[in-house]
Amino acid sequence: KNQVEQSPQSLIILEGKNCTLQCNYTVSPFSNLRWYKQDTGRGPVSLTIMTFSENTKSNGRYTATLDADTKQSSLHITASQLSDSASYICVVSANNAGNMLTFGGGTRLMVKP
Amino acid sequence: GAVVSQHPSRVICKSGTSVKIECRSLDFQATTMFWYRQFPKQSLMLMATSNEGSKATYEQGVEKDKFLINHASLTLSTLTVTSAHPEDSSFYICSAREYDRHYNLGYTFGSGTRLTVV
Repeated sequence: KNQVEQSPQSLIILEGKNCTLQCNYTVSPFSNLRWYKQDTGRGPVSLTIMTFSENTKSNGRYTATLDADTKQSSLHITASQLSDSASYICVVSANNAGNMLTFGGGTRLMVKP
Repeated sequence: GAVVSQHPSRVICKSGTSVKIECRSLDFQATTMFWYRQFPKQSLMLMATSNEGSKATYEQGVEKDKFLINHASLTLSTLTVTSAHPEDSSFYICSAREYDRHYNLGYTFGSGTRLTVV
């Protein structure tokens, strides 16, 4: 069964600090992995997309890593800002007929001043 | 980049009435759109896959007659919650699928609709 597990479930950090969110998956066959940011009451917005051959991808203060061997990904946020407070969702796409998505449960990040 | 517009963002309706939610792809054609439901502090749950010009495919446990999906054009899919009840109150999100410039299959989400049934 395809699964995506994220940790931690929630995280509180002080403004300006860095943090790393984790994502483990068992989706097969693997197509790509995406990180989304979802503000409260809004739809998810794509941060990064990584394919099998990519190890690192950055988008501003967000850096995602992918280890396809261990089936793990991380999202590192540097110099956090209050606006980073949101849920971060790891989504893995299977390389099959439907290219269906498997969603992680998300990590709720709160950045405090 | 791809933009998906979802409307309305919030709706409050009386129990027993029907509510229609629209999802539009603004700058691309989407042959496939998806409808999700999200409960507080939980991740998105796929309800159905909407295919342009054909019947939607519903996930197990989702009532077809309760959640009517119409995808009559390449840029518009609608979800109608019929005879709504308080337990239908939730956050509904649509997404559209298309290839990005790197030929990756991209999923762009709408901004969501908060439905409250009173």
